[in-house]
Amino acid sequence: GAGVSQTPSNKVTEKGKYVELRCDPISGHTALYWYRQSLGQGPEFLIYFQGTGAADDSGLPNDRFFAVRPEGSVSTLKIQRTERGDSAVYLCASSLTAFSDTQYFGPGTRLTVL
Amino acid sequence: TQLLEQSPQFLSIQEGENLTVYCNSSSVFSSLQWYRQEPGEGPVLLVTVVTGGEVKKLKRLTFQFGDARKDSSLHITAAQPGDTGLYLCARLGGSNYKLTFGKGTLLTVNP
Repeated sequence: GAGVSQTPSNKVTEKGKYVELRCDPISGHTALYWYRQSLGQGPEFLIYFQGTGAADDSGLPNDRFFAVRPEGSVSTLKIQRTERGDSAVYLCASSLTAFSDTQYFGPGTRLTVL
Repeated sequence: TQLLEQSPQFLSIQEGENLTVYCNSSSVFSSLQWYRQEPGEGPVLLVTVVTGGEVKKLKRLTFQFGDARKDSSLHITAAQPGDTGLYLCARLGGSNYKLTFGKGTLLTVNP
C-alpha cells in the first residue's frame, strides 16, 4: 500500500513569505506527527494530531507555525513570515493509533528560506 | 533539546568490516528505537527494544539494550555499501507518541 506522502518535495521561498506544507498519511492511520530536521541533527517533534485535533503542539517553535488536520486525514503545516532559520527538512509521520510504537515517516519537504 | 548522545558522529569504513555505534543517556528509557535514514528519505524503523539486557538481531544487525536501560548499541557485521545511511536512536516519550531523537551516526560503507 501507499506510504506517507508529502508535497512539495522541495520548497524555496523568500524571507517573510508564507508557506504551506502538505502531508498525506497512510490510509486509516488516526495519529499524525510533524517533525523538523535541521542539517546535522535528528528530527525534532513539532506537533501531534489524534484525529482532527492537535493533542500536543508543544514542539511548535513560535506562533508563526500552525498546523491543521480538518478531516482527520491530510494535514497542512503552515509557516507565516518565514525566516532563514526555518530552513530545514519537515517530516511527517503517521501511526495506526497514538499507542502504536511504529511511526511511518514520509520523505519530507526540504524548505529553503532565502 | 537532544537528550540522547550518539557516537561516533561520523564513521567511514570499507565493505566487509564490522562496526558498532552507540546511543547513551543519563535518563532511563522505557523503550528505545533505532532507525536508518537514507538521503532524501524519512527515517525507517529498524527495531524497538524494551527490556534491560535485551538483544535483538536483524540479519547482520545486532541491537543491544543496556541492563540499566540508559544505553544501547548497534553492531553491524560485514558491512555492505547498502548499509550506508544515518543511524538514529530515539526514545519514546510518555504515552508513546513523542519521539526524541539523537543526532545520529552517519555511516559510509565504501566498496
